[in-house]
Formats: sequence, structure tokens, C-alpha cells
Amino acid sequence: AQSVTQPDIHITVSEGASLELRCNYSYGATPYLFWYVQSPGQGLQLLLKYFSGDTLVQGIKGFEAEFKRSQSSFNLRKPSVHWSDAAEYFCAVGSGNKLVFGAGTILRVKS
Amino acid sequence: GAGVSQSPRYKVAKRGQDVALRCDPISGHVSLFWYQQALGQGPEFLTYFQNEAQLDKSGLPSDRFFAERPEGSVSTLKIQRTQQEDSAVYLCASSFGNEQFFGPGTRLTVL
Repeated sequence: AQSVTQPDIHITVSEGASLELRCNYSYGATPYLFWYVQSPGQGLQLLLKYFSGDTLVQGIKGFEAEFKRSQSSFNLRKPSVHWSDAAEYFCAVGSGNKLVFGAGTILRVKS
Repeated sequence: GAGVSQSPRYKVAKRGQDVALRCDPISGHVSLFWYQQALGQGPEFLTYFQNEAQLDKSGLPSDRFFAERPEGSVSTLKIQRTQQEDSAVYLCASSFGNEQFFGPGTRLTVL
């Protein structure tokens, strides 16, 4: 069965510091992988996606993620966090039929 | 509008009442998905349509949950005899391919 693990429930970083959010997945085939961001009261916004090809993918708002098949990981990174990045981040795996989401990581940014 | 819209945005129901949640997908999107997001959790898949055909309803938690998309566009998620455990945000997404676009959700509170 497909599953996604986001080991960190909360992360706090200082504004301007780098960020890495962890995601591990379990999937029986080559996965499609996604990172979404959700601000309070808002829907999910796609940050980036991996389908195939280059394992380092660039997304919106300066985010990137690296697919590592050997580690079953798809960690999200940003070199310099802005206060507006405070939100909840979800990693997801799936196909065209449905997505399986992790439980999310809440990012807090301190000034 | 260009995005997925959902109505109502907020719904308060007394236990035992029936509710209907509406989703307007992006025009031309063949696939439509419903997810349930409990407080502090990631979204969980409920059901999936391709045009008017409901191809997967494996995530519906009980026979009190029913979804339809009769003309292959607008979809309605109906919950009969609501229970407190049905309190959640219900997210709708549509896609044309492997990327899903999410609406803002309907927050259902059952008292």
C-alpha cells in the first residue's frame, strides 16, 4: 500500500535560514511525487512535482526537492526562508487516480 | 473563475442532519476527486470521477457518504445523518493529467 511519512510535525526556523522538510514514501512502482503548501483557511497549492527525469526539481517560491530512489525520499528545501513561508506543508505520492498525503509539517518562521 | 470552487465554505450541521457539498471543477477537467481532511491531518482520499463515472469510491467511510457528478462537471458530496466524526474540511480537486488542482474546501462542523 502507498504511504507517506513526514517525520517532523513542527519545524521552526529563523527568517533567512535554510530549510529542509523531510518526506519518505512507500510505493510499488515509480512514484509521482508532490509537495503542496496550505495556509490557514486555504486550499492546497502545488509547490512542485516529480514525474520522471532530473531528480532535482525546481518549484515556485524558490523551493526545490530532490528525489532519491535509494532512500525513498523526496525532501523539500529552500535556501533562505521568508516570513511568508510560514504554513503547513504536505508531501504526497500517487498516480492519476488519487493522492496519498503525509500528515504534514507545520513551518514556523521566527524573525 | 479559473480555479476550483466549492460551496458552501462553511457548514454547521446538527447531528443527524443531511448535508450537501458542491464542487465546481476547472472547466474541461475530466477527473474530479474528493478528499477529507480532519483537524491536524493530511487529506485522505474519498472518491474519484472520470467524467460522470465514479471509478473509485474506496475511501468513502460509510454508506452515509454519497457522491455524484451526473453531467461530468459539477459534483456533489452528500452526507446523510451526519455524525460528529464527520467534522472535517472536505476538499475537491480536478485534474487533466497527473496534476490535481484543489479548491479552498468546505469546513463541516457537526454539533
